[in-house]
Amino acid sequence: ETGVTQTPRHLVMGMTNKKSLKCEQHLGHNAMYWYKQSAKKPLELMFVYSLEERVENNSVPSRFSPECPNSSHLFLHLHTLQPEDSALYLCASSQDMIRKGWDGYTFGSGTRLTVV
Amino acid sequence: KNEVEQSPQNLTAQEGEFITINCSYSVGISALHWLQQHPGGGIVSLFMLSSGKKKHGRLIATINIQEKHSSLHITASHPRDSAVYICAVYSNSGYALNFGKGTSLLVTP
Repeated sequence: ETGVTQTPRHLVMGMTNKKSLKCEQHLGHNAMYWYKQSAKKPLELMFVYSLEERVENNSVPSRFSPECPNSSHLFLHLHTLQPEDSALYLCASSQDMIRKGWDGYTFGSGTRLTVV
Repeated sequence: KNEVEQSPQNLTAQEGEFITINCSYSVGISALHWLQQHPGGGIVSLFMLSSGKKKHGRLIATINIQEKHSSLHITASHPRDSAVYICAVYSNSGYALNFGKGTSLLVTP
């Protein structure tokens, strides 16, 4: 267990469903991230939150909607997804956005999402 | 074109072999990381480098800032080393990591 917990670990959803991914950390980190990992592609940064405020949205389609109610929790709400959205969705947290070292940068184990 | 390129994409080795994975990047960076991802999905950090060379057990990482190139070496490889190895960089202008596609390593007994 890394200190960043993601649920569920696996999710299968239809294209008309609405579901949410959850990420939780109690490391005292102030920044949280959503990454998408598709087969044969590098990890893609989707969203960045710092102190519960969204600071980056990397041209992600609106069918992905993040929410950060507090510094310990991050959600990714999903609706009307496409089969090409099937991927591993990884949450990460770091001490803050300014420090550029791995120290404190922690990944969760991910949610394996399959859209059918 | 991705800012971080890794080679090879896939690598199979026999137990005991010396392994090298390469990473090239095209931006100015403040730090480079070598990461390991096991089939369960979780990612852990192996090294953070900004210059020179680091060694941890059977793993050695080197970086050449002028050539924008880093290598990860595994000596006396073992089946438990089988994983995906990912190179990631902090660019001087960004605050999130840029990742390579990863190198999938399989070490057979």
